[in-house]
Amino acid sequence: EIVMTQSPATLSVSPGERATLSCRASQTVNSNLAWYQQKPDQIPRLLIYGASTRATGIPARFSGSGSGTEFTLTISSLQSEDFAFYYCQQYNQWPLTFGGGTKVEIK
Amino acid sequence: EVQLLESGGGLVQPGGSLRVSCTASGFTFSNYAMTWVRQAPGKGLEWVSFISTTGDGTYYADSVKGRFTISRDNSKNTLYLQMDSLSAEDTAVYYCAKDAGSSWCFFDYWGQGALVTVSS
Repeated sequence: EIVMTQSPATLSVSPGERATLSCRASQTVNSNLAWYQQKPDQIPRLLIYGASTRATGIPARFSGSGSGTEFTLTISSLQSEDFAFYYCQQYNQWPLTFGGGTKVEIK
Repeated sequence: EVQLLESGGGLVQPGGSLRVSCTASGFTFSNYAMTWVRQAPGKGLEWVSFISTTGDGTYYADSVKGRFTISRDNSKNTLYLQMDSLSAEDTAVYYCAKDAGSSWCFFDYWGQGALVTVSS
């Protein structure tokens, strides 16, 4: 099983600042990596797939990068609606696995 | 508009069984793989199971393999998860989610979730 490790667990950021979230895979997942956002008491929303392709309707301030085992989700200028949990998910091999999540909170 | 509506959640005793369903609308159900993802209270997302468009390909997390069975009825636009030998560790909100493609294995629409509580 591929273990996905996200860091940091919590990221405190001021509105308007840049947020950088990391996701590391225990073995290569190539570019088969997705990012999801989940706000409290809401359902997950697909942000990024293929490590760097924004899903439909996702604002350009969200960007993904990386391949192999190291990935980054960057939010260029945090808006109030971006404070949430973020999860990475690999789909390179079975079983599919999610990272433990990063909480982005208001500083 | 894509809609996924879970049903069948509830309280079940340890060792018991439960079946949750997910009724889909707004897209051609038979063209998309589907998955179940769960989230224990206050915890992160955990992938549970996946089923191909025709149902002939199924995959499970090790934590549920041999106890859970995923299936689908394309004539009814419905996805199922039969859960047997339940334990407290299975307590979670169970989300069904639509594959973003025929079998791309990432998920673009999610249901609101069905809460399953395993307790005596």
